[in-house]
Formats: sequence, C-alpha cells, structure tokens
Amino acid sequence: GENVEQHPSTLSVQEGDSAVIKCTYSDSASNYFPWYKQELGKRPQLIIDIRSNVGEKKDQRIAVTLNKTAKHFSLHITETQPEDSAVYFCVEVAQGGSEKLVFGKGTKLTVNP
Amino acid sequence: GAVVSQHPSWVICKSGTSVKIECRSLDFQATTMFWYRQFPKQSLMLMATSNEGSKATYEQGVEKDKFLINHASLTLSTLTVTSAHPEDSSFYICSARGHPYEQYFGPGTRLTVT
Repeated sequence: GENVEQHPSTLSVQEGDSAVIKCTYSDSASNYFPWYKQELGKRPQLIIDIRSNVGEKKDQRIAVTLNKTAKHFSLHITETQPEDSAVYFCVEVAQGGSEKLVFGKGTKLTVNP
Repeated sequence: GAVVSQHPSWVICKSGTSVKIECRSLDFQATTMFWYRQFPKQSLMLMATSNEGSKATYEQGVEKDKFLINHASLTLSTLTVTSAHPEDSSFYICSARGHPYEQYFGPGTRLTVT
C-alpha cells in the first residue's frame, strides 16, 4: 500500500532563512503530489502541487521538486516569514480509482522573528 | 468556488450517545467525499471513502458499525459516531473531491466525549 515518509518532524528557522521539507513515497504509479499547510485547529490548505510530468514547480516563495526515479519530493520555502509557521503535510495520491490522499506525518515549521 | 462546510464545528457529548456530523459541498457536486480523523499533534488519518449512492469504503482498522457514513446526495455526506467513548474524541475533517485530483477540505468538527 501507499506510504509517505516525511522529514523532519520539526523545523525551526530564523525569519528570512529557507526551509526544506523532504518526503519519500512508495507507489511508483503515483503521479500527483500536493502539499498542505495546516494551522492549529484549522483545515488543511493546499499550497502547491506537482504532477509527475514535471520536475519542479514554483509559486512565489514556495517551490516543489519531484524526483520520480528516487521517489522523492520536496517543499522549499524561501525568505520565510512568521506567518509561514504551521504544520506542513506532503501527500501521495493513491492510484487505482479511489484517488485517496495518503498524508505524511507532518512537519511543524516555526519561523522565529 | 469549491467550498466545503461541516456542521457542527464542535460538539460535546456524553459517553454512550451518538453524534452526527454533516459535510456539504456548497458550490459543486461531489460524487466522492472522504472522512479523516486527526488526533492532537498527529497527521490526518483517512477513515473512509464515501461514494454517493453506494456503501462507504472503510480503511483497515476502522469499525464500520461504529462510524456510520451516508452519502445520500451529491452535496451531502454524514458521519455518525455511534456509542461514542472518550477515546473517540478527536478532530474529524471531511473533504470532497473535485476534478481531477484536488480535494477540498471542510473546516473540521471537534468532538469531545465526556
């Protein structure tokens, strides 16, 4: 079955620094990888996603890279700001009809002012 | 667009009672909805996939007789926690699947069983 390993579990950076979160997935057939940001007590919010036909996607300060051979994908946040503090989840979308989301365990990012 | 609502946003119930949580897609039709449970400081765990007009598909380890799911229309799915116990206290979140892969999450329901 699908399984997503996410590292690190916690990450603390100074404002303005970059943050990188890495994930490894298990199903080589997976072809869609969204990233969600969740603030305490709130719903997960989609921040960026990538499909398997591209290796990198960027949206302002956020970028995601995908290495299908190694089954790795990563989230990069540059010029971090205190409002970036939240829990970030990488997700693998199961194939085979259900398209259910398999969440990583999450990374708690703290951006210190 | 793509708004999903949940009701109630929080509920406190006594042990042994049942609680119903509603999940609605407000501006689109969703043939598939998903129910998640999230314990404090943990990730979202998929409980079941809800398909309109058919029985839900439960994940391994989730008791279907305890967590009743009904998806009677293209905009509404309900989760009923039957005979709730304190260990069922959690944050329950639904999502509705758009096209092709995106899922839109509801705001969640905080259940506390006393």
